[in-house]
Amino acid sequence: EPEVTQTPSHQVTQMGQEVILRCVPISNHLYFYWYRQILGQKVEFLVSFYNNEISEKSEIFDDQFSVERPDGSNFTLKIRSTKLEDSAMYFCASSPPGVSYEQYFGPGTRLTVT
Amino acid sequence: SQQGEEDPQALSIQEGENATMNCSYKTSINNLQWYRQNSGRGLVHLILIRSNEREKHSGRLRVTLDTSKKSSSLLITASRAADTASYFCAPPKTQAGTALIFGKGTTLSVSS
Repeated sequence: EPEVTQTPSHQVTQMGQEVILRCVPISNHLYFYWYRQILGQKVEFLVSFYNNEISEKSEIFDDQFSVERPDGSNFTLKIRSTKLEDSAMYFCASSPPGVSYEQYFGPGTRLTVT
Repeated sequence: SQQGEEDPQALSIQEGENATMNCSYKTSINNLQWYRQNSGRGLVHLILIRSNEREKHSGRLRVTLDTSKKSSSLLITASRAADTASYFCAPPKTQAGTALIFGKGTTLSVSS
């Protein structure tokens, strides 16, 4: 069964450094999402992406964040200058085309900012 | 703003028993989804119910939706130890959008 994959599974970075989290959505899906979950807290929506542009974003998704679909398979989340409070599990998700809102999540990347 | 809140926060049952989790949300929706998360892992989509549906089944899962009360419930019948996980309802952030809002979830523990 096709699944969303994410790399790396764990990323450790120093405060102020840039990180890129990578996702490969399910191949025929057209809607892509990033969520994050700070340890012990709720899963929070960051951004959705459709037709090569951001369709929705939350107040968390400020100028230090950006997303890109650099080719036909990858979907990336870049954090330009990481802060301690960016430490979290970041989940990528994708949805199939058509009127379907079901989202399929990847296993997540644990980002630790020191 | 939209918010999905589950109740109870924690539920402990024996294998074979049924587990019922409830969810309330604040604003109008076109659909509502339920997800499961095993500790430290990704979210697994369980079921989607549309606003014009009152009940939906999938295997041992039964979901109800009452749009007048802005509430939903998830029933897991004949629970198994493998059902131990956190369960979340996820209404959309906006009625027309696809982004999801998650609550704190219900942590279900099934002992054998």
